[in-house]
Amino acid sequence: ETGVTQTPRHLVMGMTNKKSLKCEQHLGHNAMYWYKQSAKKPLELMFVYNFKEQTENNSVPSRFSPECPNSSHLFLHLHTLQPEDSALYLCASHYGTTQYFGPGTRLTVL
Amino acid sequence: AQTVTQSQPEMSVQEAETVTLSCTYDTSESDYYLFWYKQPPSRQMILVIRQEAYKQQNATENRFSVNFQKAAKSFSLKISDSQLGDAAMYFCAYRGGQGAQKLVFGQGTRLTINP
Repeated sequence: ETGVTQTPRHLVMGMTNKKSLKCEQHLGHNAMYWYKQSAKKPLELMFVYNFKEQTENNSVPSRFSPECPNSSHLFLHLHTLQPEDSALYLCASHYGTTQYFGPGTRLTVL
Repeated sequence: AQTVTQSQPEMSVQEAETVTLSCTYDTSESDYYLFWYKQPPSRQMILVIRQEAYKQQNATENRFSVNFQKAAKSFSLKISDSQLGDAAMYFCAYRGGQGAQKLVFGQGTRLTINP
């Protein structure tokens, strides 16, 4: 256990649905990240938040909308996704020189 | 831009033997950090070992050690006395210095442990 939790662990949604992924850490870390992990591709950084402020958006389509209400919580709001968005979505928080990852949400878009 | 390459998509080793996973990277920076992460079937990405580029001494964590060759931009992971629980995807990752936060990952190496 790294102290970073993610819910839900699995999510199946249709292309017209709206859903949200949640990430939580109570480690006192001030930076949080969303990554996308697709089959046979390296992890792709999506967003970075520092002290609740978004500091990086890695050219992510607007159908992914992050939200960071405080330093302990990070959300990824999903709407009108495409089947190619099916992947494992990993959250991480940062302390010192190291990122600590959550268990991920396996997302399937039908 | 920095890149990380893991040239071995799959590796296998007999239990109790030693295996080495390869990683090379490309950067123009002199100050950076390198990591090996393990992702078992449970999907949790777990930090295995970390190396600061300014340190000449190779990092070691119990059965895990690295061979860091800065001039060659090589960062291999050696697992000694392999155990069944070591079976996982292993990812090499790079992070720049000076407050950089972005991790650049390699494609991963799937390690199988044969009993």
